[in-house]
Amino acid sequence: DIQMTQSPSTLSASVGDRVTITCRASQSISDWLAWYQQKPGKAPKLLVYKASSLEGAVPSRFSGSGSGTEFTLTISSLQPDDFATYYCQQYNTYPWTFGQGTKVDI
Amino acid sequence: EVQLLESGGGLVQPGGSLRLSCADSGFSISSSHAMAWVRQAPGKGLEWVSVISGNGAGTYYADSVKGRFTLSRDNYKSMLYMEMNSLRAEDTAIYYCAKCITVFGMVAGMDVWGLGTSVTVSS
Repeated sequence: DIQMTQSPSTLSASVGDRVTITCRASQSISDWLAWYQQKPGKAPKLLVYKASSLEGAVPSRFSGSGSGTEFTLTISSLQPDDFATYYCQQYNTYPWTFGQGTKVDI
Repeated sequence: EVQLLESGGGLVQPGGSLRLSCADSGFSISSSHAMAWVRQAPGKGLEWVSVISGNGAGTYYADSVKGRFTLSRDNYKSMLYMEMNSLRAEDTAIYYCAKCITVFGMVAGMDVWGLGTSVTVSS
């Protein structure tokens, strides 16, 4: 199975900060990677698919990049609504696998 | 607005069975879209469970549920089902159904999610 490792596991930031979350795959997944945001008690929300394609209605402060084994999710200016847990997921090979999550808090 | 609604969760004893359903109030559960299940154990991260192709011909499962869970769909009724047998304590989780999006014919993400249904496996 492809292992997805996110770093950091927890990130403390302030409103207005630029935030970068990294996701590394144990083998190449081309660009078959998605990013999700999850708030407590809520279902995940798709932010980015195909490594860098922003899902409709997702604010432009979110961006994704990378290919192969290393990927990043960047929030250019953190907003109060962005405090949440973020997950990457690979779709290159079954079984699909998620990273362990990165919690962004104040 | 497209919405998915899961049902069928509950408390079950180890070794028991449950059938989860996912209803679609829009057009997600049609032959155009693959559908998936993702679960989240209490206080833990997300775990992909299974996916079924748009026409129902193809299914894939996580190793942790292979041979115990069976996915099916009825596109005419806009319904998705997951039969869960030989349940274990480690299957305790919130189960979400989700609609898949595709790029070049391959699933690239899950863009519509249900609210989730809780499954607890305990004696």
